[in-house]
Amino acid sequence: GAGVSQSPRYKVTKRGQDVALRCDPISGHVSLYWYRQALGQGPEFLTYFNYEAQQDKSGLPNDRFSAERPEGSISTLTIQRTEQRDSAMYRCASSSGQKPGNTDTQYFGPGTRLTVL
Amino acid sequence: AQSVAQPEDQVNVAEGNPLTVKCTYSVSGNPYLFWYVQYPNRGLQFLLKYITGDNLVKGSYGFEAEFNKSQTSFHLKKPSALVSDSALYFCAVSSDTGRRALTFGSGTRLQVQP
Repeated sequence: GAGVSQSPRYKVTKRGQDVALRCDPISGHVSLYWYRQALGQGPEFLTYFNYEAQQDKSGLPNDRFSAERPEGSISTLTIQRTEQRDSAMYRCASSSGQKPGNTDTQYFGPGTRLTVL
Repeated sequence: AQSVAQPEDQVNVAEGNPLTVKCTYSVSGNPYLFWYVQYPNRGLQFLLKYITGDNLVKGSYGFEAEFNKSQTSFHLKKPSALVSDSALYFCAVSSDTGRRALTFGSGTRLQVQP
């Protein structure tokens, strides 16, 4: 079946511009996660949704970053007034929500490579 | 706070030889441990996980991992490496007391030589 998809795959923007990154989870998956991965590092948690509710946004680095999942499916991560330090791979993952707590397997999309000039 | 250490940036092994990629962790509560593999221009692919039960976990593509509670380790192993196993491997941890997120190590590049 179809996996997690993300668009665009690559985004180049100028400093100060806003960007919106899209994630389409595996069909039926109720939990959705956003991570950011710097070059040479592992992914770092940004935020987590259960259905449409944003359950944890403790990983968002500052108030320029926001995320939404209004209908409990597709999610958008928005970065306002981008800065060069925002350049990274942004990864989305989804899980079924059928396993208790943190035991659920997260399935990752291909990521969006953001470059801020 | 929870953390994962992957002490080797790169592991080199000859095709047909056994491979080990090391991972140690630190968490409060009971750990849940995961291995993912990243191929160029592709997303992270799930390999295997340990939640509870048998300490030896078998996963995709012939990989296995052994959970060792006393050494807080979860090393990834394969009896006979293939050139196609060459990729970037990430160990990740969550727990029964932590937030709903994975904490990843910095990754280990596996290079299998023909």
